[in-house]
Amino acid sequence: EAQVTQNPRYLITVTGKKLTVTCSQNMNHEYMSWYRQDPGLGLRQIYYSMNVEVTDKGDVPEGYKVSRKEKRNFPLILESPSPNQTSLYFCASSVRLASNNYNEQFFGPGTRLTVL
Amino acid sequence: KNEVEQSPQNLTAQEGEFITINCSYSVGISALHWLQQHPGGGIVSLFMLSSGKKKHGRLIATINIQEKHSSLHITASHPRDSAVYICAVRLGTDKLIFGTGTRLQVFP
Repeated sequence: EAQVTQNPRYLITVTGKKLTVTCSQNMNHEYMSWYRQDPGLGLRQIYYSMNVEVTDKGDVPEGYKVSRKEKRNFPLILESPSPNQTSLYFCASSVRLASNNYNEQFFGPGTRLTVL
Repeated sequence: KNEVEQSPQNLTAQEGEFITINCSYSVGISALHWLQQHPGGGIVSLFMLSSGKKKHGRLIATINIQEKHSSLHITASHPRDSAVYICAVRLGTDKLIFGTGTRLQVFP
């Protein structure tokens, strides 16, 4: 089954304790992206990757790191989490079209993170 | 001012009604996406448009590039259509900017 998986789905942690949220897709998609969703602010892009070893900042990259060593995986790393990073996080992927544009996005199920 | 504005923010309807959700944007885009977020939180892509109109079942999406406006229509609405509908615009080939969503409730 074609899907994007995220782990963990729920996480409660404390300020400053490094964590990684994993994202994996089995559709051989070139494009992957991380978003956070907050009440009243909607979805905002954190980082995206157009292919292996190619990553770039979205609108809200501060406090986050990513890597794209393999096509299927795009982990989100919080080196020193803070309470303002409490949010619902989504990973998504999409395939590149021949026109060099990208197709619809497939979203993971979300990770609800609470930083105390 | 947000670069992507959706209206209305909240919408209630009776089953069977025709529904329209609007999205206006202020930047040049390469494509526009309509997404549906279920009450459980999962997000599904409904449409990706760069021009004209697309239809899938009871859902129709249109875009007017000159006016920087898109609409999502739901014909013969049903309680299972209750969800948050999100408009997102793609800048170039990479960045996505999202509207804050329209919460739709359809009552039997």
